[in-house]
This record gives sequence, C-alpha cells and structure tokens, in this order.
Amino acid sequence: DAGVIQSPRHEVTEMGQEVTLRCKPISGHNSLFWYRQTMMRGLELLIYFNNNVPIDDSGMPEDRFSAKMPNASFSTLKIQPSEPRDSAVYFCASSLRTGTSGTQYFGPGTRLTVL
Amino acid sequence: KNEVEQSPQNLTAQEGEFITINCSYSVGISALHWLQQHPGGGIVSLFMLSSGKKKHGRLIATINIQEKHSSLHITASHPRDSAVYICAVPNSGGGADGLTFGKGTHLIIQP
Repeated sequence: DAGVIQSPRHEVTEMGQEVTLRCKPISGHNSLFWYRQTMMRGLELLIYFNNNVPIDDSGMPEDRFSAKMPNASFSTLKIQPSEPRDSAVYFCASSLRTGTSGTQYFGPGTRLTVL
Repeated sequence: KNEVEQSPQNLTAQEGEFITINCSYSVGISALHWLQQHPGGGIVSLFMLSSGKKKHGRLIATINIQEKHSSLHITASHPRDSAVYICAVPNSGGGADGLTFGKGTHLIIQP
C-alpha cells in the first residue's frame, strides 16, 4: 500500500485566499484524522471521521476551517479565508479501527505558508 | 480534557546510553500512543498500549494505568534514534475521543 497520501506537500498563498488540502487514507481504514502542528502549540487534533462521518470537530479553530469526507478514500480540509496565523504543517492520518483506539498512520504533511 | 506532560523536553546523550522519556496524563485512558517525528518531519506511530509493556527492537514502552504514567525506553541508543518523541492520549479518556498530544521530547544522540 502507498500509505496515506497528502497533497499538496507545500502550499504558499496570500492572506484571504482559499486553501484546500487533500488526503487519501490507506485503503480499508475506517478512521481519518486531520492534525495541525506549529512550533508554539505542537500537534493538535482538528477533526476526525469514523466511517466518513465527522465525530469530533472541537479542534477546528473557527468557521474559516471546514473538512469533508465524501467517501472512504478522500478527505479535504479547507480554509477560507486564510490568515497568516494558519501557517503550519497539516497532517492527515488514518486508522483501521474507529476512534483513537487503533494505530494511526500519518501522511507526510502539507506545509502551509500564508503570507 | 486530558492534560499531558512529557519530560524531559530536551535530551542529549552519547551513543550507547540507555534513554528514558516520561509521559504523565491527568484522566484515565483506554490507550496511550507513542509517536516518533523524524528530523525531516515525518511522523511514525511507535506504540499503542493500554497496559503493561511492549517491545519493538531496542524500544520498550511501559504504562502504569493506576499512576497515569508511561515511559519510553531506548536501549543501546544510536544517532539514528535522534528525533522528537511524542506521547498522546484520548481527550477525555475514551476510545471515541480525539487525541491530546504532549509537547514532545527532542532527543539527540551524539556519536
């Protein structure tokens, strides 16, 4: 298996623009997680899905962030409008088991820079 | 929400030394995760454990549920073990929660 695939790997955009990050989980996995990592706050869970259904989105910072999982093989994280403080590395991870009781496999991350 | 404390924050050691990284949390949990983040940024799950001890090569993870504490040990450390080690626990303890992460331990093994 190719592992978790994220695109793009790097994104540079200007404040106010819409940003869409993409994730393809490992085939057959039932949970998908979006994380954000910054120097100041470390790793933070933004949202996670079980069987394509959002379960916990309490980590989504504000209404500018939205995430979707239209099917078992694809998820997006959208920021609209983007702000400089959104600059971070965004990781997607998937797990065979639902919830957080299974081993998580991380994608390589998307490094987002908002100017 | 679970609070996670890791220690030490930074650790520099010589090749061959025995390494211990500690993680404490505030709310009883169903499982604890240890992750490794390489200098290039990639994250790998090392262990997920809910009781006792697990071993993988030179890495050993232990957990004491009563004391809400886990340790990650590295035997015969090597420069390639240099990385950030992060522990993570469910937000409020259960398996249906998201994860809360420690700040990480930055480990450097010198040859």
